[in-house]
Amino acid sequence: EDKVVQSPLSLVVHEGDTVTLNCSYEVTNFRSLLWYKQEKKAPTFLFMLTSSGIEKKSGRLSSILDKKELFSILNITATQTGDSAVYLCAPIYGQNFVFGPGTRLSVLP
Amino acid sequence: KAGVTQTPRYLIKTRGQQVTLSCSPISGHRSVSWYQQTPGQGLQFLFEYFSETQRNKGNFPGRFSGRQFSNSRSEMNVSTLELGDSALYLCASSFTHGDSGNTIYFGEGSWLTVV
Repeated sequence: EDKVVQSPLSLVVHEGDTVTLNCSYEVTNFRSLLWYKQEKKAPTFLFMLTSSGIEKKSGRLSSILDKKELFSILNITATQTGDSAVYLCAPIYGQNFVFGPGTRLSVLP
Repeated sequence: KAGVTQTPRYLIKTRGQQVTLSCSPISGHRSVSWYQQTPGQGLQFLFEYFSETQRNKGNFPGRFSGRQFSNSRSEMNVSTLELGDSALYLCASSFTHGDSGNTIYFGEGSWLTVV
């Protein structure tokens, strides 16, 4: 059965800390992986990763995919309170995609 | 271009009633997916429509149904509402569901409260 695991499920840090969020997946016919940030409403798109080992960056956020080991990480450096959110990953496989349970990040001032 | 539009944004229903939620995808997108999200929970997949056909369905009871029109707009219906149906219902559109060349865009969601 296809599945997605995110870890940790919950994380509390202080402003300025660096965090690494993990997403591992077991799906057939993998194509790419998406990362989303969800605050109080709809998820917003962060990254799409298709190739292994190529880091994508957007400001303090970066992400990389390892298709051999079937995982992706999302890094956030110099965290700010505005980074507090649930971070979701979603592998795309075949004609489907499935969301992981998310990592709830809380950044304290 | 306009994003994904969901209506209504907020609604309150009583147990036993039924509700219809609407989603207009981004122009040109043909795939529409629906998700239920309860407080503190992740996204639970309901179903996905592509070109008016339901292609995938999650593990929800038959009280949850949907359809898609020729202009790609989609509706979902929940009959005989239960208190546990209170949730945020999100609609997502993409050009082709699961196509690695296109990402998925979410609407703002419809907040349903069942009392």
